[in-house]
Amino acid sequence: GENVEQHPSTLSVQEGDSAVIKCTYSDSASNYFPWYKQELGKRPQLIIDIRSNVGEKKDQRIAVTLNKTAKHFSLHITETQPEDSAVYFCAASDAGNMLTFGGGTRLMVKP
Amino acid sequence: DGGITQSPKYLFRKEGQNVTLSCEQNLNHDAMYWYRQDPGQGLRLIYYSQIVNDFQKGDIAEGYSVSREKKESFPLTVTSAQKNPTAFYLCASSMQGANSPLHFGNGTRLTVT
Repeated sequence: GENVEQHPSTLSVQEGDSAVIKCTYSDSASNYFPWYKQELGKRPQLIIDIRSNVGEKKDQRIAVTLNKTAKHFSLHITETQPEDSAVYFCAASDAGNMLTFGGGTRLMVKP
Repeated sequence: DGGITQSPKYLFRKEGQNVTLSCEQNLNHDAMYWYRQDPGQGLRLIYYSQIVNDFQKGDIAEGYSVSREKKESFPLTVTSAQKNPTAFYLCASSMQGANSPLHFGNGTRLTVT
């Protein structure tokens, strides 16, 4: 089955700096890669996703890149703000739409 | 708001008791899922259902049971056979078909003592 590894487990940045979270996956058949943000005590919410026919996708301060050959994908947050502080999860989905999640990254943005 | 409701938010039980967590959705989604979240770990799939009256085991189904008698409802029972039941449980739903985003409920924090 699919195995998703996520790094780092914690990340502390200064407000205004960029943050990068990286994930690797094992199943070359995986074709959908969403990212979820979970604020403390709240539900995970989808913030961006990418499909295997696309190499990069941007949405304002957030971008995701995908390298299918190397089987890794990354989340990039620019100009970080205190409200970006949360736990971020990457995931990979095979054609059957079953998601396997990474272990999560706790991002702390210091004002 | 949200379209997917989990209740209760907090649940306390004594060891040896079965307990059922509720999950209801009004999004008209065919697929529903139960995940378990432990501190420092990702979300692990317990059970999923892609259609009424049918469900499949996920990665950590031992000690859990589910039913899917209605499209809107997917309750999870944590049985006394689950060796470490204290955790945060998240229910989710999605449209049928590949690459459909998951919509999560607010979760139930279960504490067993």
